[in-house]
Amino acid sequence: DADVTQTPRNRITKTGKRIMLECSQTKGHDRMYWYRQDPGLGLRLIYYSFDVKDINKGEISDGYSVSRQAQAKFSLSLESAIPNQTALYFCATSDRRVTEAFFGQGTRLTVV
Amino acid sequence: GEDVEQSLFLSVREGDSSVINCTYTDSSSTYLYWYKQEPGAGLQLLTYIFSNMDMKQDQRLTVLLNKKDKHLSLRIADTQTGDSAIYFCAEGNNFGNEKLTFGTGTRLTIIP
Repeated sequence: DADVTQTPRNRITKTGKRIMLECSQTKGHDRMYWYRQDPGLGLRLIYYSFDVKDINKGEISDGYSVSRQAQAKFSLSLESAIPNQTALYFCATSDRRVTEAFFGQGTRLTVV
Repeated sequence: GEDVEQSLFLSVREGDSSVINCTYTDSSSTYLYWYKQEPGAGLQLLTYIFSNMDMKQDQRLTVLLNKKDKHLSLRIADTQTGDSAIYFCAEGNNFGNEKLTFGTGTRLTIIP
């Protein structure tokens, strides 16, 4: 089983709909992140959380919100999806004791 | 803010060496990373270098860091078809408490 699991893996939704992407991890890490990947732009940080009570905006948080329901769960919501939010979304985790970030398999979201 | 730049594409003949370059702007970067993304997958850490080092070698991989010029490179010796992927440079500026800033990614294509 994957250490960082994202659901769904693929989703097509209509403009204006609310959608939630979920991430869960079994690594016991305290830090969790949501990134967005667009061709030619690399990965951009949307939100990050260093523990359950800590939520921070990344560089592109507008139009997104997050919830850290437990140490192992971090969900990303698009309150009213728009076409330019079509992208590949990655959840990642890390721990203060290690240098590596672990990524989920990604969620491909298409907003039509 | 932090900025990390890479060329978008690189083509190399099988058996040759690949050199992927990266420049960054944050002089306080503590760690610099290379991540690999294979098709349909998340990112996996390949290697990293601490900012007080100028070279690190790990089997076929050699990382060179020129801190004065803020230039990082990844050399893959004897490039194989399995090395085809997107390679991301990333920088972090506070060990264990960091949010990584990623480059645009370089898509490495292997020519048979």
